[in-house]
Amino acid sequence: QKEVEQNSGPLSVPEGAIASLNCTYSDRGSQSFFWYRQYSGKSPELIMSIYSNGDKEDGRFTAQLNKASQYVSLLIRDSQPSDSATYLCAVLRGGADGLTFGKGTHLIIQP
Amino acid sequence: GAGVSQTPSNKVTEKGKYVELRCDPISGHTALYWYRQSLGQGPEFLIYFQGTGAADDSGLPNDRFFAVRPEGSVSTLKIQRTERGDSAVYLCASSSARTDTQYFGPGTRLTVL
Repeated sequence: QKEVEQNSGPLSVPEGAIASLNCTYSDRGSQSFFWYRQYSGKSPELIMSIYSNGDKEDGRFTAQLNKASQYVSLLIRDSQPSDSATYLCAVLRGGADGLTFGKGTHLIIQP
Repeated sequence: GAGVSQTPSNKVTEKGKYVELRCDPISGHTALYWYRQSLGQGPEFLIYFQGTGAADDSGLPNDRFFAVRPEGSVSTLKIQRTERGDSAVYLCASSSARTDTQYFGPGTRLTVL
């Protein structure tokens, strides 16, 4: 059974601080890892993808992957109120396949 | 270019009725996926198509659910004898042959009364 675990939150972070979102997965065969952002009533929007151990930075976002620990994280620097949303972690076993999602972490950035 | 589109955006039906949900993927994307998202949950995989064929339908919950993609582009998710538990947002996503990144449509909110 493939599982992806996230703390559902809410995670409250002051504006301008770093938000840290975490995710663990059970399937050691997972090859691709994604973070999606979902605003209330909207569909998931891709934020980051990561495939290799280590860090990957894109603007204010940094994704971190540790396959040995089966752990993925997303850091959001200089958090803005517009970052308030649910962040979904998703993993893919390989190639074209169905994503396995966590339940998401609800992030609130306090002005 | 245009993203993934889904119609209708909202569908209200009565228990026992038949519904069809449509997805139009990003032009040129060969892979198409259907997911279902219930309130407070992450999307749950239902089925994916590579071209016209269903490559993996292991997520379909039972035989009331069926999906087709006859020409390798537009897909229709069909639900027979709807039940109240089928109420959810049905999401469609597509990806190109060059990448495994999936892009989601706006979803169809299905309400079964």
